Amino acid sequence: DQQVKQNSPSLSVQEGRISILNCDYTNSMFDYFLWYKKYPAEGPTFLISISSIKDKNEDGRFTVFLNKSAKHLSLHIVPSQPGDSAVYFCAASSTGTASKLTFGTGTRLQVTL
Amino acid sequence: GAVVSQHPSRVICKSGTSVKIECRSLDFQATTMFWYRQFPKKSLMLMATSNEGSKATYEQGVEKDKFLINHASLTLSTLTVTSAHPEDSSFYICSALEEGGSIAYEQYFGPGTRLTVT
Repeated sequence: DQQVKQNSPSLSVQEGRISILNCDYTNSMFDYFLWYKKYPAEGPTFLISISSIKDKNEDGRFTVFLNKSAKHLSLHIVPSQPGDSAVYFCAASSTGTASKLTFGTGTRLQVTL
Repeated sequence: GAVVSQHPSRVICKSGTSVKIECRSLDFQATTMFWYRQFPKKSLMLMATSNEGSKATYEQGVEKDKFLINHASLTLSTLTVTSAHPEDSSFYICSALEEGGSIAYEQYFGPGTRLTVT
């Protein structure tokens, strides 16, 4: 039972354009969402997060949008840079489960020149 | 920044043998560590939560007698895959929660260990 889904396994974007990575979840108890970036042979690194009381959080080139009614969130990267090429994981947690994270399957982003 | 290491990074073992994977927080103390498993093209699946000085809490479907977890100090947790079989071949990743941390993003992940059982 995949509670967090990333339906696009891969995405290719030109440098300078916007990258939009999507994530859907099914568990209505999730109230905190995170995006992680992962390079090959490395562990995931935290990128940005959002609490369910917000619908948008911005940090530099990265913005996460949350649509609770649709149980959908997205990560926008603008402008995209070649160094952004990596696998991006969406993760979710719920109050009461402390730091237990449920991860999506990941989307491989390729930023081309 | 906070660094978590894992050793070994890759291991190949024969079916029936046991393998130990170490997870260390290098520059901070971690009261809680997590062990994940990732199958090819799949998400990271939480296997267990390890708390220093107490027994690990395993997720549903994870055999605690097969995946032994020890968290003997604030900087080290070990995962031992006992009597390994080819279906145990996977990528194992640990994460560490900094002492006093309670927010999910305060977890720091190790680089992972690729286990291949022949």
